[in-house]
Amino acid sequence: EDQVTQSPEALRLQEGESSSLNCSYTVSGLRGLFWYRQDPGKGPEFLFTLYSAGEEKEKERLKATLTKKESFLHITAPKPEDSATYLCAVQTTSGTYKYIFGTGTRLKVLA
Amino acid sequence: NAGVTQTPKFRVLKTGQSMTLLCAQDMNHEYMYWYRQDPGMGLRLIHYSVGEGTTAKGEVPDGYNVSRLKKQNFLLGLESAAPSQTSVYFCATLVGWGNEQFFGPGTRLTVL
Repeated sequence: EDQVTQSPEALRLQEGESSSLNCSYTVSGLRGLFWYRQDPGKGPEFLFTLYSAGEEKEKERLKATLTKKESFLHITAPKPEDSATYLCAVQTTSGTYKYIFGTGTRLKVLA
Repeated sequence: NAGVTQTPKFRVLKTGQSMTLLCAQDMNHEYMYWYRQDPGMGLRLIHYSVGEGTTAKGEVPDGYNVSRLKKQNFLLGLESAAPSQTSVYFCATLVGWGNEQFFGPGTRLTVL
């Protein structure tokens, strides 16, 4: 069964304290892996798409990487405004139009 | 350009009542999705549509019906609401398979 697991569930960082969020997946075949940011009371907002192992994408303080079994979202020198829930989703090559979401990591960055 | 909009934003229902949630998009996207989000459960797919006039079941379709009579609108119906349907509902669109989804702001539904 296709599955996406995110860890940790919650993470508290001091401003400037770098860390990584993990998204591990077990799927029959990976078409794409997606990272979203979700602020309280709002819909998820797209951050990155990764398609193949070894691929990396960067945006400001965020960097996403992909291996054959997992993806990491690295946060460098975070600021309080980076506080949000980060969601990971995968799309498989099984021929359907469905996306499988993880349960997310709630990040809190303290000033 | 509003993107994806959802109506209403909040709603409180009594058990057994019915209602329809509306998702509208102005991006001319083919694919539209309805998810529910519950604490600790992540986003779960209810129904989706790959084009006007088409619908398909997702992971948790029981108790819900959908219609896509016009390309820009995707309606989610609850015929007889139950407390287990208390959740936040998100609509999403997709320009094409393999691309990112665009999400609406959500509808917070409480069933008493």
